[in-house]
Amino acid sequence: QVQLQESGPGLVKPSQTLSLTCTVSGGSISSGSDYWSWIRQPAGKGLEWIGRLYNSGNTIYNPSLESRAIILEDTSNNLFSLGLSSVTAADTAVYYCARETTLQVGVYYYYAMDVWGQGTTVTVSS
Amino acid sequence: DIQMTQSPSSLSASVGDRVTITCQASQDITNYLNWYQHKPGKAPRLLIYAASNLQRGAPSRFSGSGSGTAFTLTISSLQPEDTATYYCQQYDNLPLTFGQGTRLEIK
Repeated sequence: QVQLQESGPGLVKPSQTLSLTCTVSGGSISSGSDYWSWIRQPAGKGLEWIGRLYNSGNTIYNPSLESRAIILEDTSNNLFSLGLSSVTAADTAVYYCARETTLQVGVYYYYAMDVWGQGTTVTVSS
Repeated sequence: DIQMTQSPSSLSASVGDRVTITCQASQDITNYLNWYQHKPGKAPRLLIYAASNLQRGAPSRFSGSGSGTAFTLTISSLQPEDTATYYCQQYDNLPLTFGQGTRLEIK
């Protein structure tokens, strides 16, 4: 079955760029119908969708990140990455990667995040 | 952005109780609504998709209902392993948004 694993530095200095990787096993990120997302959860707060990779390299982001986020795919290594620039303490969070897959109900198809990584904690501090 | 409001924000119930969590969307999202269970230190788990469909492998005591702007997640007979935070998530419009979560504890 598909498994996802986040990795990256646990500590990033303010104003620098946060860089995380999500390694996918048991499946291919080139699977045309699946999307690959990043989500984060600041301590004591809810889940925030950051953005997704879809259809062979296309991306879309949450406008709340004010163009600081970039998601890239690496099909050779079957992984995708997140970069978040100009970080502040407000970016301190647990970061998750997830697969959005299609689920059929009758003749209709719906998307849901059916596989998640365990999450990785990133702290922004000098 | 579509705002998702869950209630209650926390609750405590006994084993065997019937538990209901509600989720209100700020606009009509048809049935593009998913529910997740999240335990500390673990990956979130998909329970219900398209408002009322049980994800494969999820226990049958979980069920979902609703459409438009009002949705519910019901646990028919609460079990100790159901201690977790539950989130709704809308899929109708980007950006995808989640409710603030409902923390469920066992008395």
